[in-house]
Amino acid sequence: GQQVMQIPQYQHVQEGEDFTTYCNSSTTLSNIQWYKQRPGGHPVFLIQLVKSGEVKKQKRLTFQFGEAKKNSSLHITATQTTDVGTYFCGTGSSNTGKLIFGQGTTLQVKP
Amino acid sequence: DGGITQSPKYLFRKEGQNVTLSCEQNLNHDAMYWYRQDPGQGLRLIYYSQIVNDFQKGDIAEGYSVSREKKESFPLTVTSAQKNPTAFYLCASSDFGGSLEAFFGQGTRLTVV
Repeated sequence: GQQVMQIPQYQHVQEGEDFTTYCNSSTTLSNIQWYKQRPGGHPVFLIQLVKSGEVKKQKRLTFQFGEAKKNSSLHITATQTTDVGTYFCGTGSSNTGKLIFGQGTTLQVKP
Repeated sequence: DGGITQSPKYLFRKEGQNVTLSCEQNLNHDAMYWYRQDPGQGLRLIYYSQIVNDFQKGDIAEGYSVSREKKESFPLTVTSAQKNPTAFYLCASSDFGGSLEAFFGQGTRLTVV
């Protein structure tokens, strides 16, 4: 079945450094979603991308959807300690309703 | 407040016992989901339902069962056939046919001893 692979699994950065997580699929995706899960919390929706080559920004966060719609990235500029958590990419089918996620990237930020 | 509620937050059971995790939503969402989260393995889909009285197996359905008798409710039963049931379980709902943005409950941490 459809899968999305996410790398890296863990990332430790110094506060102020940039961070990027990548999401890849072997098949074309109709959409890609990004979620953040704070330690001890539950995943919270950040954004959805649906168009080829789409780029969206939310303050220090930049989300991209590849031209072939098989990969996506989340980039955080100048990380802060509040960015700590696990970031998940996911993709849903509007036909079947199935919603699957990657393994997540856990970000640690050293102050 | 609109949202999705899971109960209880922590649950302990003895090995060999079935246990049912509750999930209720008042968002009027058609689709509901159950995921299992283990360290380093992300969110793995157990079961999902697009509509009342219908549900489909996800990627790791063995040892689990669900029902969808009401739009608001999607309980998950962890049966004694599940080999390694200790995990963090997350329920979610989405506006199937809409944005597909998923709203998650707070999760239930199940420990089987």
